[in-house]
Amino acid sequence: NAGVTQTPKFRILKIGQSMTLQCTQDMNHNYMYWYRQDPGMGLKLIYYSVGAGITDKGEVPNGYNVSRSTTEDFPLRLELAAPSQTSVYFCASSSTEQGSYGYTFGSGTRLTVV
Amino acid sequence: SQKIEQNSEALNIQEGKTATLTCNYTNYSPAYLQWYRQDPGRGPVFLLLIRENEKEKRKERLKVTFDTTLKQSLFHITASQPADSATYLCALDRGADGLTFGKGTHLIIQP
Repeated sequence: NAGVTQTPKFRILKIGQSMTLQCTQDMNHNYMYWYRQDPGMGLKLIYYSVGAGITDKGEVPNGYNVSRSTTEDFPLRLELAAPSQTSVYFCASSSTEQGSYGYTFGSGTRLTVV
Repeated sequence: SQKIEQNSEALNIQEGKTATLTCNYTNYSPAYLQWYRQDPGRGPVFLLLIRENEKEKRKERLKVTFDTTLKQSLFHITASQPADSATYLCALDRGADGLTFGKGTHLIIQP
């Protein structure tokens, strides 16, 4: 029972580079989310998905893209990395729309853009 | 705009006492509210959910109250232990748009 798995755990990118943060869950959850967490700040929603093939923007989507080709996977793509994207990124999933049984989070990816 | 406020200062509690954390919100009427625990370098872990029609919810040493008139939730840890030291996050639902999180309160239980 792995839950939500994120890779990589750490990454340093140069300005302008791109990368994909991987997220996979093995709980057959329909709903998946990407959040970023900056020091002293609350988690901010980047993108979310209510099922395979369906994605939508959250609060802070600029500079990111997502896809959801399967129920299990929800990768987050960063194009043209900028220092403002230095953050810790968390992927989460839930079984219901309102997350009424709570969200399951991954352990995070710490990204530094230099 | 919607706001969630949690005490941004660290809360120091002596072991064995009850720790009480506060979550206040404005400009929003959530159907439910959740509490999470986050340890350094780890993802948040779900603790409790309380619905708008529930006044109180308990789970072992944890208790959550939800006052929709005051727009406030209180999170209590009774018989606190050093292992309870962590950051505790309050989160409000936005339906299909996910949860809105507070900044969290850092709780320190001193032996």
